[in-house]
Amino acid sequence: GDSVTQMEGPVTLSEEAFLTINCTYTATGYPSLFWYVQYPGEGLQLLLKATKADDKGSNKGFEATYRKETTSFHLEKGSVQVSDSAVYFCALRAGNTPLVFGKGTRLSVIA
Amino acid sequence: NAGVTQTPKFQVLKTGQSMTLQCAQDMNHEYMSWYRQDPGMGLRLIHYSVGAGITDQGEVPNGYNVSRSTTEDFPLRLLSAAPSQTSVYFCASSYSGGQGDIQYFGAGTRLSVL
Repeated sequence: GDSVTQMEGPVTLSEEAFLTINCTYTATGYPSLFWYVQYPGEGLQLLLKATKADDKGSNKGFEATYRKETTSFHLEKGSVQVSDSAVYFCALRAGNTPLVFGKGTRLSVIA
Repeated sequence: NAGVTQTPKFQVLKTGQSMTLQCAQDMNHEYMSWYRQDPGMGLRLIHYSVGAGITDQGEVPNGYNVSRSTTEDFPLRLLSAAPSQTSVYFCASSYSGGQGDIQYFGAGTRLSVL
């Protein structure tokens, strides 16, 4: 079945550091790919998405590029802030099947 | 615009008790789903619905029932609570079941079963 693998956390960075959270997927066909973010005590919200190969999703300084050849959708940000501390989930959806999530990566940014 | 509303926010049950977690959305979304979130496990799908009157099982449906009598509401019932059901539960909705659709999540219900 479809699956998402993302790097284990937690990740701890200093403010203004570069962030990469790796995400790879297995799916039949051509799924849509998503990054969701969960701030402390809240539900998940969409951070960005890409629906076809080579698409780049971007939002709030975060970026991820849909790489079909490496089945990857790595999340990057050039300069993290304390307010970016959260749990980040990579997810995919193929056809009409339900959304499939990775296990999440907790990011802590220290001043 | 309320979005996806879950009640209650917190609940403590004793083993064997039953309860219903409520979920309502005001966006006229056809697709609704329930997830549970456990440490180190990410989000796992319990049940989902593609429209009123239609439900289906997800990855971890045992011990849970759902029904969808209206577009707006998608309650999750625990028939006989067990400690293994201690978790945070999230309801989500999207416009349809389409591949590119964004899912909108409620704030969650934190459930403890003693």
